[in-house]
Amino acid sequence: QVQLQESGPGLVKPSQTLSLTCTVSGGSISSSSYYWIWIRQPAGKGLEWIGRMYTSGSTNYSPSLKSRVTISVDTSKNQFSLKMSSVTAADTAVYYCARASAYYSSEARYYAMDVWGQGTTVTVSS
Amino acid sequence: DIQMTQSPSSLSASVGDRVTITCRASQNITNYLNWYLQKPGKAPKLLIYAASFLQSGVPSRFSGSGSGTDFTLTITSLQPEDFVTYYCQQSYSTLWTFGQGTRVEIK
Repeated sequence: QVQLQESGPGLVKPSQTLSLTCTVSGGSISSSSYYWIWIRQPAGKGLEWIGRMYTSGSTNYSPSLKSRVTISVDTSKNQFSLKMSSVTAADTAVYYCARASAYYSSEARYYAMDVWGQGTTVTVSS
Repeated sequence: DIQMTQSPSSLSASVGDRVTITCRASQNITNYLNWYLQKPGKAPKLLIYAASFLQSGVPSRFSGSGSGTDFTLTITSLQPEDFVTYYCQQSYSTLWTFGQGTRVEIK
């Protein structure tokens, strides 16, 4: 059974770069037809999709964060990572990593986030 | 971006009630719509994918319907563990987005 675990600093100073890692266990990050995703949730607020990386390495990012975000993979460590530059207090949130699996019908292929990490809290403060 | 709007933002109900949550997309997303629930302090959990397909292990009191721009999540006979927050999410575009969430509270 695949499990995900986020790790990284819980406190980041304003204007610095936030770096988080998601370690995948129980399966290979190189397996086909998965998206690897980052989502965040400020305290008391809703979920915000940050971006995704396909097994092939292609990425897509939220337009509001695209200029500051990079998602990358380290297949040797079975991990994928999030880097967010120039952080401000508005980036304070619980950050989740997730896997999206493909579900097939006769007409189409659908993706849904079926495995999630437990989340890690990141506070941006001096 | 495709905007997802849930209604209501919160609702009060009793154990045993039937509740319906609505999710509206800003454009046609056919049936590329997923539903999640989130317990306080926990990661979200997938309930329904492709608008109407129940994820493995999810109780049958949960059901989803809709296509195009309008979708619903229905919970028949609310159980105590169902008083949590629910989110819809579209996977139609390359940029995925969530609804703002619907909190189901005990009346």
